[in-house]
This record gives sequence, C-alpha cells and structure tokens, in this order.
Amino acid sequence: DVKVTQSSRYLVKRTGEKVFLECVQDMDHENMFWYRQDPGLGLRLIYFSYDVKMKEKGDIPEGYSVSREKKERFSLILESASTNQTSMYLCASTERANEKLFFGSGTQLSVL
Amino acid sequence: SQKIEQNSEALNIQEGKTATLTCNYTNYSPAYLQWYRQDPGRGPVFLLLIRENEKEKRKERLKVTFDTTLKQSLFHITASQPADSATYLCALPFGGGYNKLIFGAGTRLAVHP
Repeated sequence: DVKVTQSSRYLVKRTGEKVFLECVQDMDHENMFWYRQDPGLGLRLIYFSYDVKMKEKGDIPEGYSVSREKKERFSLILESASTNQTSMYLCASTERANEKLFFGSGTQLSVL
Repeated sequence: SQKIEQNSEALNIQEGKTATLTCNYTNYSPAYLQWYRQDPGRGPVFLLLIRENEKEKRKERLKVTFDTTLKQSLFHITASQPADSATYLCALPFGGGYNKLIFGAGTRLAVHP
C-alpha cells in the first residue's frame, strides 16, 4: 500500500515563527497536495504539485509556500505563523489526475 | 463557485440498519465523485469513485448512487456495524486535468450496538 508520511503528528509554534511541515510518499506519485482541515469547513486546498519543482496555488495559498525538490517530498512552509493558521494539515498524493488520493495522518498545528 | 453540502448533523443509527448519507452540489457538473472515510485524528481514506455515466456502484456493504440531474450522491452502508462509525466525506474534482478535489465538510456517522 501507498504510504504518505507526515513528519509530525502534533506541533506547537509561536506567532511569527517560520514553520516547516514535511511530507514524504513512497510510491513515486507525480501529484502531491497540501490541505488544511477546520471544523465545519472541510478540507481546503492550499497548494499542489504535479511534478518536481512545479507547484500550483489552491484555494487558500495566502501565508503559505511550498517546496518540491524531490519527487517523493513535498514541504509546506508557513513564512510567519499566525494564530489563524492553527489547524489540521493533511498531505496527500496520487499517481495520476482524477484518481483517488492517499492521505497522510495529518499534523495538528497550534500557533500560540 | 462550486459548493458541496453534506448533512452537518451527526447521523445516529442502530447496528444492522442501513445508513444513508447525502452529498449535494451546485454550480457544477463533475465527471465523477469520490467518497472517503475519516476516523478521528487520521487522514481520509478513499472508499469509492463513481463516474457521471454510472448510476450506481457497489463495494461489499457500500453502495453509492450519482444523480447528475438532482446534483446529488447518496452513500449507503448496509448492515451497519459500530466499526462503521466515522466521518464520511464526499469530494468532487475541479480545475482542468489535475486531480484537484473539493471536499464537503463531512457527515459523522455513529452506529450504536
């Protein structure tokens, strides 16, 4: 089975800190995604990448950036963390467009 | 803009009954629709994909219907078990050829013994 691994399950950071969330998939998937999930709002797409060094903005990219230097790794960066970025962050991958997503277990980020 | 609606209230049913969850969407004609299961503190897990030319799809105790006229999908779990208790999310694609999915907020299902 595909494994998508997120580096941390829980993370606590202070306002203004630069935060790195790491995601690694082991199935050579082309496409990788970062979502955030908030109660009552569902999953919202932050950024996605369809190839190494390629990225596209999702619905809510403000305050975030991403990096994909290697095919298996997709990093989400909070340039200057704010309290409204407290959320569950989910990474996902898929081999081809229009196929099912494989999700990691998520990182619960708290910004104080 | 595209909008997906799922029942925000939890669905409580007795073990052995059929659970039916609803996913409605507006302003869109998706080529397919996906259903995921999410347990607390975990990432969603893919369950089923149904395409616009398929009226119904089954997988073990799961059945999904897709009515493109009503803009609605129904997700059924027959002979439900307490282990089926989870949040169920529907998702629709958007954005050209890339697999960008819009997710509904999900419906929490609780199956009681």
